[in-house]
Amino acid sequence: GQNIDQPTEMTATEGAIVQINCTYQTSGFNGLFWYQQHAGEAPTFLSYNVLDGLEEKGRFSSFLSRSKGYSYLLLKELQMKDSASYLCAATDSNYQLIWGAGTKLIIKP
Amino acid sequence: GAVVSQHPSRVICKSGTSVKIECRSLDFQATTMFWYRQFPKKSLMLMATSNEGSKATYEQGVEKDKFLINHASLTLSTLTVTSAHPEDSSFYICSAREGREPYEQYFGPGTRLTVT
Repeated sequence: GQNIDQPTEMTATEGAIVQINCTYQTSGFNGLFWYQQHAGEAPTFLSYNVLDGLEEKGRFSSFLSRSKGYSYLLLKELQMKDSASYLCAATDSNYQLIWGAGTKLIIKP
Repeated sequence: GAVVSQHPSRVICKSGTSVKIECRSLDFQATTMFWYRQFPKKSLMLMATSNEGSKATYEQGVEKDKFLINHASLTLSTLTVTSAHPEDSSFYICSAREGREPYEQYFGPGTRLTVT
């Protein structure tokens, strides 16, 4: 079957670094997305990885290991506005998105 | 670029009535559009996938006669909740994607439906 696993909730301190992990099992694989979703709003695109390695985009970076079925989202210099849910989604062989349940990130002052 | 609009953003309707939600891709042609619903503090749940000019593919457990989806053009898809009941109250979100890699889904802002 197809499955995405990510932690339900994480807590971090303003100014710190946090890593949100995601493991996936899909029928075929064409890439992995990370989305951010604030409460009551629709998801917004953060990153897309198709090759192994680290993609850096400002304070956010995303890593992928295809052989391990593993990805992580790294958030640096955390700000209060980063409090949100972070959704991991893998594309299967038909380019359908398989969604994780999301990780709720709580930032404390 | 890649903007998706959704209308209305909020709607309150009485039980038994029907509600139509529109999803538009404003600056690209969306070969495929998706409809999701999300309950408070829960993950996105895919309801159906629609390709322009063909019938929508519904996920297991989603009633196609209750949630009517029309994808009449490459920029517009509509979801009609027929004979709405209070349990249909939810956050409905559409997304759209182009027909080329990386097949990223661009999300609309969502519609908050409350059925009284």
